[in-house]
Amino acid sequence: KAGVTQTPRYLIKTRGQQVTLSCSPISGHRSVSWYQQTPGQGLQFLFEYFSETQRNKGNFPGRFSGRQFSNSRSEMNVSTLELGDSALYLCASSFAVNTGELFFGEGSRLTVL
Amino acid sequence: DQQVKQNSPSLSVQEGRISILNCDYTNSMFDYFLWYKKYPAEGPTFLISISSIKDKNEDGRFTVFLNKSAKHLSLHIVPSQPGDSAVYFCAASVWGGSEKLVFGKGTKLTVNP
Repeated sequence: KAGVTQTPRYLIKTRGQQVTLSCSPISGHRSVSWYQQTPGQGLQFLFEYFSETQRNKGNFPGRFSGRQFSNSRSEMNVSTLELGDSALYLCASSFAVNTGELFFGEGSRLTVL
Repeated sequence: DQQVKQNSPSLSVQEGRISILNCDYTNSMFDYFLWYKKYPAEGPTFLISISSIKDKNEDGRFTVFLNKSAKHLSLHIVPSQPGDSAVYFCAASVWGGSEKLVFGKGTKLTVNP
């Protein structure tokens, strides 16, 4: 069974640009969560989707947004990029909600110059 | 305000000995706790969990202990193996809430042959 797939794996953007990251969950998994990992803050929750609905959102500015499609695939978007947005963005999926047992992808490494 | 703290950034143990990783939390609403392990260039992998109605959960070489009064949990690995060398993250959530996990910043475990 294929794992969680994230694309692109690496990308470089400049300040003010926007970026879209994609996540394909494990087949059959309907819940998708996004996390940001930085050396200073560690892993921080961004948002969670289930059946195309956002169930929860972390403490990030409105520049961070996401969505989930009917096939459970998810995208997250960051607009007006700032240097501090440089991070590893991790997508995780789970079969059901409220399990906490997440299956993570390898992440998308974003560098903002 | 760090709600989940792993005060030891690193730990080094000899193969065959016990590894003890510690985690403290401040939010008394947390009632479900998990440990994840992360190898370089990979996403975190779920290891073991415990709900607040228990004080111990075992899975093979891995045991998690929860002390609710002290708001403290620990992960014991016995015996430790070189393949256990990884970064271990403690995470907490409010059961029945969402897939929003609050992570500690991790402890890098090195098991020396």
